[in-house]
Amino acid sequence: RKEVEQDPGPFNVPEGATVAFNCTYSNSASQSFFWYRQDCRKEPKLLMSVYSSGNEDGRFTAQLNRASQYISLLIRDSKLSDSATYLCVVISLNTGNQFYFGTGTSLTVIP
Amino acid sequence: EAGVTQSPTHLIKTRGQQATLRCSPISGHTSVYWYQQALGLGLQFLLWYDEGEERNRGNFPPRFSGRQFPNYSSELNVNALELEDSALYLCASSSRDYYNSPLHFGNGTRLTVT
Repeated sequence: RKEVEQDPGPFNVPEGATVAFNCTYSNSASQSFFWYRQDCRKEPKLLMSVYSSGNEDGRFTAQLNRASQYISLLIRDSKLSDSATYLCVVISLNTGNQFYFGTGTSLTVIP
Repeated sequence: EAGVTQSPTHLIKTRGQQATLRCSPISGHTSVYWYQQALGLGLQFLLWYDEGEERNRGNFPPRFSGRQFPNYSSELNVNALELEDSALYLCASSSRDYYNSPLHFGNGTRLTVT
Protein backbone atom coordinates (compact mmCIF):
# COMPACT_ATOMS: atom_id res chain seq x y z
CA ARG A 1 0.00 0.00 0.00
CA LYS A 2 1.32 3.44 -0.88
CA GLU A 3 2.22 5.80 1.93
CA VAL A 4 0.18 8.61 0.39
CA GLU A 5 -2.68 8.39 -2.10
CA GLN A 6 -4.40 11.11 -4.05
CA ASP A 7 -7.14 11.20 -6.66
CA PRO A 8 -5.18 12.18 -9.79
CA GLY A 9 -8.17 13.97 -11.30
CA PRO A 10 -8.16 15.87 -13.54
CA PHE A 11 -10.48 18.38 -11.94
CA ASN A 12 -11.84 20.89 -14.45
CA VAL A 13 -13.77 23.68 -12.74
CA PRO A 14 -15.12 27.07 -13.85
CA GLU A 15 -13.63 30.28 -12.56
CA GLY A 16 -15.10 31.21 -9.19
CA ALA A 17 -15.93 27.63 -8.21
CA THR A 18 -14.95 25.95 -4.98
CA VAL A 19 -12.94 22.75 -5.31
CA ALA A 20 -11.65 20.29 -2.72
CA PHE A 21 -8.93 17.66 -2.87
CA ASN A 22 -8.38 14.83 -0.45
CA CYS A 23 -5.27 12.86 0.31
CA THR A 24 -5.09 9.73 2.44
CA TYR A 25 -2.05 8.43 4.27
CA SER A 26 -1.38 4.93 5.52
CA ASN A 27 1.00 5.46 8.43
CA SER A 28 -0.80 6.43 11.62
CA ALA A 29 2.52 7.70 13.00
CA SER A 30 2.63 10.43 10.37
CA GLN A 31 3.17 13.74 12.08
CA SER A 32 3.63 16.56 9.58
CA PHE A 33 1.61 17.39 6.52
CA PHE A 34 1.97 19.84 3.66
CA TRP A 35 0.41 20.81 0.36
CA TYR A 36 2.68 21.68 -2.57
CA ARG A 37 1.79 23.17 -5.93
CA GLN A 38 3.56 22.19 -9.14
CA ASP A 39 3.15 24.08 -12.39
CA CYS A 40 3.79 22.30 -15.67
CA ARG A 41 7.47 21.40 -16.11
CA LYS A 42 8.45 23.38 -12.99
CA GLU A 43 9.59 22.37 -9.52
CA PRO A 44 7.05 21.85 -6.71
CA LYS A 45 6.62 24.81 -4.38
CA LEU A 46 5.24 24.79 -0.84
CA LEU A 47 1.65 26.02 -0.78
CA MET A 48 0.91 25.57 2.90
CA SER A 49 1.53 23.46 5.94
CA VAL A 50 -1.42 21.60 7.46
CA TYR A 51 -1.97 22.10 11.17
CA SER A 52 -3.97 19.82 13.45
CA SER A 53 -6.65 22.44 14.03
CA GLY A 54 -6.91 23.30 10.35
CA ASN A 55 -5.60 26.48 8.82
CA GLU A 56 -6.48 29.04 6.22
CA ASP A 57 -4.41 31.19 3.89
CA GLY A 58 -6.58 33.50 1.85
CA ARG A 59 -8.72 31.40 -0.46
CA PHE A 60 -7.00 28.17 0.62
CA THR A 61 -8.05 26.05 3.61
CA ALA A 62 -6.23 22.93 4.76
CA GLN A 63 -7.71 20.36 7.14
CA LEU A 64 -6.32 17.29 8.88
CA ASN A 65 -8.42 14.35 10.03
CA ARG A 66 -6.16 12.05 12.06
CA ALA A 67 -8.91 9.57 12.88
CA SER A 68 -9.58 8.87 9.20
CA GLN A 69 -6.00 9.58 8.17
CA TYR A 70 -6.63 12.14 5.48
CA ILE A 71 -5.81 15.73 4.72
CA SER A 72 -7.79 18.04 2.50
CA LEU A 73 -7.28 21.25 0.57
CA LEU A 74 -10.18 23.55 -0.24
CA ILE A 75 -9.81 26.30 -2.82
CA ARG A 76 -12.51 28.94 -2.88
CA ASP A 77 -13.25 31.39 -5.70
CA SER A 78 -10.94 29.55 -8.12
CA LYS A 79 -8.75 31.69 -10.37
CA LEU A 80 -7.25 30.77 -13.72
CA SER A 81 -3.84 31.02 -12.05
CA ASP A 82 -4.79 28.18 -9.67
CA SER A 83 -4.44 25.71 -12.55
CA ALA A 84 -1.64 23.38 -11.49
CA THR A 85 -0.98 19.99 -9.93
CA TYR A 86 -1.43 19.85 -6.15
CA LEU A 87 0.73 17.41 -4.20
CA CYS A 88 0.17 16.32 -0.64
CA VAL A 89 3.22 15.48 1.45
CA VAL A 90 3.46 13.52 4.66
CA ILE A 91 6.34 13.00 7.08
CA SER A 92 6.39 9.95 9.32
CA LEU A 93 8.46 9.85 12.50
CA ASN A 94 9.01 6.09 12.40
CA THR A 95 10.49 6.18 8.91
CA GLY A 96 13.21 8.59 9.90
CA ASN A 97 11.34 11.73 8.97
CA GLN A 98 11.28 10.93 5.27
CA PHE A 99 9.01 13.05 3.07
CA TYR A 100 6.35 11.04 1.16
CA PHE A 101 4.67 12.64 -1.84
CA GLY A 102 1.32 11.82 -3.35
CA THR A 103 1.16 11.51 -7.12
CA GLY A 104 -0.67 14.82 -7.37
CA THR A 105 -4.12 16.05 -8.34
CA SER A 106 -4.42 18.04 -11.56
CA LEU A 107 -6.62 21.14 -11.49
CA THR A 108 -7.63 23.19 -14.52
CA VAL A 109 -9.69 26.33 -13.95
CA ILE A 110 -11.74 27.18 -17.02
CA PRO A 111 -12.72 30.76 -17.97
CA GLU B 1 18.74 33.66 1.13
CA ALA B 2 19.89 31.66 -1.88
CA GLY B 3 17.63 28.77 -2.79
CA VAL B 4 18.52 25.25 -3.82
CA THR B 5 20.70 25.36 -6.91
CA GLN B 6 21.09 22.58 -9.42
CA SER B 7 23.44 22.20 -12.35
CA PRO B 8 23.41 21.78 -15.21
CA THR B 9 19.95 23.00 -16.22
CA HIS B 10 19.89 20.75 -19.24
CA LEU B 11 21.97 17.68 -20.04
CA ILE B 12 21.96 15.64 -23.23
CA LYS B 13 23.65 12.25 -23.23
CA THR B 14 23.62 9.17 -25.39
CA ARG B 15 22.60 5.70 -24.27
CA GLY B 16 25.32 3.96 -22.29
CA GLN B 17 27.03 7.15 -21.14
CA GLN B 18 27.22 8.42 -17.57
CA ALA B 19 25.58 11.56 -16.21
CA THR B 20 26.50 13.60 -13.14
CA LEU B 21 24.01 16.03 -11.66
CA ARG B 22 24.85 18.48 -8.89
CA CYS B 23 22.88 20.13 -6.13
CA SER B 24 23.68 22.78 -3.54
CA PRO B 25 21.19 22.98 -0.67
CA ILE B 26 20.00 26.08 1.11
CA SER B 27 22.58 27.27 3.61
CA GLY B 28 22.00 25.52 6.93
CA HIS B 29 20.12 22.59 5.40
CA THR B 30 21.72 19.21 6.05
CA SER B 31 19.32 16.91 4.16
CA VAL B 32 19.25 16.51 0.40
CA TYR B 33 16.65 14.53 -1.51
CA TRP B 34 16.71 13.50 -5.15
CA TYR B 35 13.58 12.82 -7.20
CA GLN B 36 12.98 11.72 -10.77
CA GLN B 37 9.96 13.03 -12.66
CA ALA B 38 9.33 11.62 -16.10
CA LEU B 39 7.12 13.67 -18.40
CA GLY B 40 3.52 13.63 -17.23
CA LEU B 41 4.24 11.46 -14.20
CA GLY B 42 4.57 12.04 -10.47
CA LEU B 43 7.70 12.44 -8.38
CA GLN B 44 9.63 9.22 -7.89
CA PHE B 45 11.87 9.19 -4.82
CA LEU B 46 15.49 8.34 -5.65
CA LEU B 47 17.82 9.07 -2.74
CA TRP B 48 17.96 10.82 0.60
CA TYR B 49 21.20 12.07 2.18
CA ASP B 50 21.56 13.56 5.61
CA GLU B 51 24.77 14.61 7.36
CA GLY B 52 26.83 12.95 4.65
CA GLU B 53 25.14 9.57 4.86
CA GLU B 54 22.63 7.83 2.63
CA ARG B 55 19.45 7.45 4.71
CA ASN B 56 17.20 5.79 2.19
CA ARG B 57 16.90 5.01 -1.49
CA GLY B 58 13.92 4.44 -3.71
CA ASN B 59 13.17 1.53 -5.98
CA PHE B 60 15.83 2.29 -8.57
CA PRO B 61 18.66 0.11 -9.90
CA PRO B 62 22.20 0.43 -8.49
CA ARG B 63 23.35 2.41 -11.52
CA PHE B 64 21.66 5.35 -9.80
CA SER B 65 24.00 6.45 -7.05
CA GLY B 66 25.11 9.57 -5.32
CA ARG B 67 26.90 11.13 -2.43
CA GLN B 68 26.78 14.09 -0.11
CA PHE B 69 29.86 16.17 0.55
CA PRO B 70 31.00 17.71 3.87
CA ASN B 71 29.49 21.06 2.79
CA TYR B 72 26.14 19.20 2.30
CA SER B 73 26.11 19.62 -1.46
CA SER B 74 25.27 16.47 -3.35
CA GLU B 75 25.89 14.63 -6.59
CA LEU B 76 23.66 12.19 -8.41
CA ASN B 77 25.36 9.81 -10.79
CA VAL B 78 23.54 7.74 -13.37
CA ASN B 79 25.64 5.09 -15.11
CA ALA B 80 24.89 3.17 -18.28
CA LEU B 81 22.16 5.60 -19.29
CA GLU B 82 18.99 4.20 -20.82
CA LEU B 83 16.41 6.03 -22.91
CA GLU B 84 13.86 5.79 -20.09
CA ASP B 85 16.18 7.75 -17.80
CA SER B 86 15.11 10.87 -19.70
CA ALA B 87 13.34 12.98 -17.08
CA LEU B 88 13.45 16.04 -14.88
CA TYR B 89 15.69 15.35 -11.88
CA LEU B 90 14.78 17.44 -8.88
CA CYS B 91 16.88 18.06 -5.82
CA ALA B 92 15.36 19.33 -2.60
CA SER B 93 16.79 20.25 0.77
CA SER B 94 15.46 20.54 4.28
CA SER B 95 16.72 21.40 7.73
CA ARG B 96 16.17 19.33 10.88
CA ASP B 97 13.31 21.68 11.71
CA TYR B 98 11.35 20.25 8.80
CA TYR B 99 7.99 21.27 10.25
CA ASN B 100 8.84 24.94 9.95
CA SER B 101 11.12 24.56 6.96
CA PRO B 102 9.91 21.69 4.81
CA LEU B 103 11.35 20.67 1.47
CA HIS B 104 12.62 23.38 -0.84
CA PHE B 105 13.21 22.35 -4.44
CA GLY B 106 15.75 23.44 -7.01
CA ASN B 107 14.74 24.19 -10.59
CA GLY B 108 15.82 20.74 -11.69
CA THR B 109 18.09 19.23 -14.30
CA ARG B 110 16.38 18.09 -17.46
CA LEU B 111 18.21 14.99 -18.67
CA THR B 112 17.66 13.79 -22.22
CA VAL B 113 19.07 10.43 -23.29
CA THR B 114 19.22 9.81 -27.03
